[in-house]
Amino acid sequence: DAGVTQSPTHLIKTRGQQVTLRCSPKSGHDTVSWYQQALGQGPQFIFQYYEEEERQRGNFPDRFSGHQFPNYSSELNVNALLLGDSALYLCASSPGLGEYEQYFGPGTRLTVT
Amino acid sequence: GESVGLHLPTLSVQEGDNSIINCAYSNSASDYFIWYKQESGKGPQFIIDIRSNMDKRQGQRVTVLLNKTVKHLSLQIAATQPGDSAVYFCAERGWGYQKVTFGIGTKLQVIP
Repeated sequence: DAGVTQSPTHLIKTRGQQVTLRCSPKSGHDTVSWYQQALGQGPQFIFQYYEEEERQRGNFPDRFSGHQFPNYSSELNVNALLLGDSALYLCASSPGLGEYEQYFGPGTRLTVT
Repeated sequence: GESVGLHLPTLSVQEGDNSIINCAYSNSASDYFIWYKQESGKGPQFIIDIRSNMDKRQGQRVTVLLNKTVKHLSLQIAATQPGDSAVYFCAERGWGYQKVTFGIGTKLQVIP
């Protein structure tokens, strides 16, 4: 049983560019959350998707957007990249919106130059 | 591999000793608390959780203590092993929500 998978593993972009990160949830999970983890800090909640809709959002600008597909996989899009967007982006999945344990993927390391 | 331990508080423990990692939280409305372990190059891994109506919960080699009066959470690891070396995060969540708010991590170094 595959856990949460994310792609790509690493990515280098230039300021002003746009990036798309992908996440496949753990089998049987239909809820996906995205987190940003800067070096040396704890993950920060970006947003959560359930039934292809954004359900909760953290304190991130509109440059951060997402999407969830019918197969429950999800994408995180970041427009107009800033140097400060360099971080590890983590995807977490769970079997619903209720109080379930979240399973995290290995993350995508984004470097903005 | 990915390093998440830069500039974090560090706890060094001799192999076989017990470890205690402490965490202070700020939101009195939080009703669910979680400890995560993050190894280099990996995402956070669930260790143990506790609800606000409890003050202690035990797992395999781990115990979480919750003191709501002073908003303090601790993780105790018995007989610490080299494989326990990682960054540990406490996290909190409000009732009915899945947004998890992570605290400042602590890097645990186990000395063989």
